[in-house]
Amino acid sequence: QQPVQSPQAVILREGEDAVINCSSSKALYSVHWYRQKHGEAPVFLMILLKGGEQKGHEKISASFNEKKQQSSLYLTASQLSYSGTYFCGTRGTSYGKLTFGQGTILTVHP
Amino acid sequence: DVKVTQSSRYLVKRTGEKVFLECVQDMDHENMFWYRQDPGLGLRLIYFSYDVKMKEKGDIPEGYSVSREKKERFSLILESASTNQTSMYLCASRRGLAGDVTGELFFGEGSRLTVL
Repeated sequence: QQPVQSPQAVILREGEDAVINCSSSKALYSVHWYRQKHGEAPVFLMILLKGGEQKGHEKISASFNEKKQQSSLYLTASQLSYSGTYFCGTRGTSYGKLTFGQGTILTVHP
Repeated sequence: DVKVTQSSRYLVKRTGEKVFLECVQDMDHENMFWYRQDPGLGLRLIYFSYDVKMKEKGDIPEGYSVSREKKERFSLILESASTNQTSMYLCASRRGLAGDVTGELFFGEGSRLTVL
């Protein structure tokens, strides 16, 4: 079953912050975040393993609440280059297949 | 630089035609995947392969088959294309479990298929 992402779309001005959420109805081993810019391949951002660990990637960070089976992606002081579609992917076991959410379209305006 | 290459960026086919989508990776990865991307539905797994000549069904395998005769090449086959298979198809690869710390998928740029 696919994880559910929210919001479906968000529009920002440069310098504003955003949060993208990812929820699953199943117990999770890991959460993966990808970004796909228009016309390009999705690119890996980070992985979070169960344990509530928070990871960072430049001004993009994420958290994973294992008990709630939720992850959040935090984009701080957004830049034009952050525009794209963000996907979370979830895995129930260390060897399980990755199941993606429906995506969140992020648009950053000058 | 790591690379996953999909042979065709854009294809237009007619209903009932047999369609081959080819994917090649140069990273010596054991695992390869085919996803379908549709607006509002995200990326859905069609088939994957964890070794040469091995294949596993994903979440939406109906109407598709795959072939993996060589480690670097993974083909998606639509035996008889239908209009509801009009979509963007993404190929991806990943290291085998032994060497896989992050589980990072490397994607190709996609093949946009239109079935008329």
